[in-house]
Amino acid sequence: NAGVTQTPKFQVLKTGQSMTLQCAQDMNHNSMYWYRQDPGMGLRLIYYSASEGTTDKGEVPNGYNVSRLNKREFSLRLESAAPSQTSVYFCASSGRGGSDTQYFGPGTRLTVL
Amino acid sequence: GQQVMQIPQYQHVQEGEDFTTYCNSSTTLSNIQWYKQRPGGHPVFLIQLVKSGEVKKQKRLTFQFGEAKKNSSLHITATQTTDVGTYFCAGRAAGNKLTFGGGTRVLVKP
Repeated sequence: NAGVTQTPKFQVLKTGQSMTLQCAQDMNHNSMYWYRQDPGMGLRLIYYSASEGTTDKGEVPNGYNVSRLNKREFSLRLESAAPSQTSVYFCASSGRGGSDTQYFGPGTRLTVL
Repeated sequence: GQQVMQIPQYQHVQEGEDFTTYCNSSTTLSNIQWYKQRPGGHPVFLIQLVKSGEVKKQKRLTFQFGEAKKNSSLHITATQTTDVGTYFCAGRAAGNKLTFGGGTRVLVKP
């Protein structure tokens, strides 16, 4: 099992460019999450998907969109990147909602110039 | 909304000493989880506490859930350089999502 995988590992964008961060899990988990972590800071929830076909906003959803493509995959899209979105983005998954262990991917380090 | 706060934000520890980091919630929790993130890495699950007053140990790490289920602590004895990293607590109130605290960043002085 690969667990949770994320692509790309690193990305540099110019202001206004768009991109999609990909996440996939092979643990048959129902729930998936996108977090951002700014330098020296904690984890802030951007969006989550409690099950296939549903998505909900988290604490900091502005400037992002998500797609739960199927049970395995949950993508995060930045339509028009801004320097304030420079961060490390983590995808996570869990078995049966937020009360279960969350398994994190290795992260995508995004810089917006 | 539900808030989870951790103190201290930073912990500088001499190798071999003990320290404790604390986690406090604004609401009563169904459970609390602890994660560790090594520098440059991703958060990794350590443990989950569910019962009021529960205490669990993992080698030199002792985790406790408060009687009122609104706070938790992580105590590390005889700190080693391998303990370096950020420790996050994450709490879930009934019907809510898991909410992460801001983390305690631990630096170990050899």
